[in-house]
Amino acid sequence: GNSVTQMEGPVTLSEEAFLTINCTYTATGYPSLFWYVQYPGEGLQLLLKATKADDKGSNKGFEATYRKETTSFHLEKGSVQVSDSAVYFCALGVQGGSEKLVFGKGTKLTVNP
Amino acid sequence: DAGVTQSPTHLIKTRGQQVTLRCSPKSGHDTVSWYQQALGQGPQFIFQYYEEEERQRGNFPDRFSGHQFPNYSSELNVNALLLGDSALYLCASSLALGTGGSEAFFGQGTRLTVV
Repeated sequence: GNSVTQMEGPVTLSEEAFLTINCTYTATGYPSLFWYVQYPGEGLQLLLKATKADDKGSNKGFEATYRKETTSFHLEKGSVQVSDSAVYFCALGVQGGSEKLVFGKGTKLTVNP
Repeated sequence: DAGVTQSPTHLIKTRGQQVTLRCSPKSGHDTVSWYQQALGQGPQFIFQYYEEEERQRGNFPDRFSGHQFPNYSSELNVNALLLGDSALYLCASSLALGTGGSEAFFGQGTRLTVV
């Protein structure tokens, strides 16, 4: 079946530190991969996506590369800010789209000044 | 563009009751999906509606049902509420473009508490 495993949290960093949140997936076919962010009390916002192997998604300084050989889609940012504090979800799109998403459990990030 | 809007934002119901949650998709979107997000967990897919029909369904009991209207808005109904149904219910809309679909936009959710 389809599943997503992401790094357990919470993760606490100081401002300007480097961030990595690991995500691996199991899927049949060729899924699309996504990172969503959820700020307190809000719904989910798409952070970045990649639709095929070796694609790199990027947005707001965050990056993730679709690695088919390792079935991974790790999220990275070179220098985090306090405003990046949120819960981050890795997800795969069944059948290659975003219409049915399978999510990981989420990783809570707290960035301290 | 108001994006995806859900109502109500918060709801408290008693065990055994029935509840209806509502969702208006982003302008131009024709597909609505519903997710359940338990506290501290990732969202889980409940079902998806397209052209007023349920197109896909996740692993949820028949107590969970839905509807899509001609204007693409949607309702999620849950009967015989259990304490375990307490969660944030998220609606996502997208545009069905062949097999690839489009980006899913999420609403802010309805927080349901069953007591």
